[in-house]
Amino acid sequence: DAGVTQSPTHLIKTRGQQVTLRCSPKSGHDTVSWYQQALGQGPQFIFQYYEEEERQRGNFPDRFSGHQFPNYSSELNVNALLLGDSALYLCASIMGGYGYGYTFGSGTRLTVV
Amino acid sequence: SQQGEEDPQALSIQEGENATMNCSYKTSINNLQWYRQNSGRGLVHLILIRSNEREKHSGRLRVTLDTSKKSSSLLITASRAADTASYFCATDSQGGSEKLVFGKGTKLTVNP
Repeated sequence: DAGVTQSPTHLIKTRGQQVTLRCSPKSGHDTVSWYQQALGQGPQFIFQYYEEEERQRGNFPDRFSGHQFPNYSSELNVNALLLGDSALYLCASIMGGYGYGYTFGSGTRLTVV
Repeated sequence: SQQGEEDPQALSIQEGENATMNCSYKTSINNLQWYRQNSGRGLVHLILIRSNEREKHSGRLRVTLDTSKKSSSLLITASRAADTASYFCATDSQGGSEKLVFGKGTKLTVNP
């Protein structure tokens, strides 16, 4: 039973560029959340997708956008990259949208230079 | 913004000893969860305690919750080198919020 799969694992981008990160949820899960984890910090909630719609959003600018597909997979897009966007981006999935024991992927390490 | 703080920020112990980590949070919660993260990779869910529970056990893990003090503790008994990781508490708010709010974590090192 595959867990949460994220791609790519590492990425280096230049300031001002755009990036797309991908996530496939655990089998049977229909809800995907995205988190940003800066070095030495805890993860910060970006947004959550359920039934192909953004259900809740954290305190992130509009440069951060996402999408969920009918197969429940999801993308995180970041436009106009800043140096401060360098972080580990984590995807987490759950069934039914709430609560208990999210399954996290291994993350995408984004470096902006 | 972070919900609260884990304490201590770093903890170094010998194999076989117990490790205790504390977590404080700011707002009323539905549940509190503990996660482990190895070397900056994905988080692994360890245990969940509901707001109406005071203590919960799972294997070598014991979690307590004091909602009056807005704090929780995670005890790992008989620690092993493989327990070396960062540990995070995460809360979800009353009112059915879908997001988890994490603390900054405790980095635990278990020396063989």
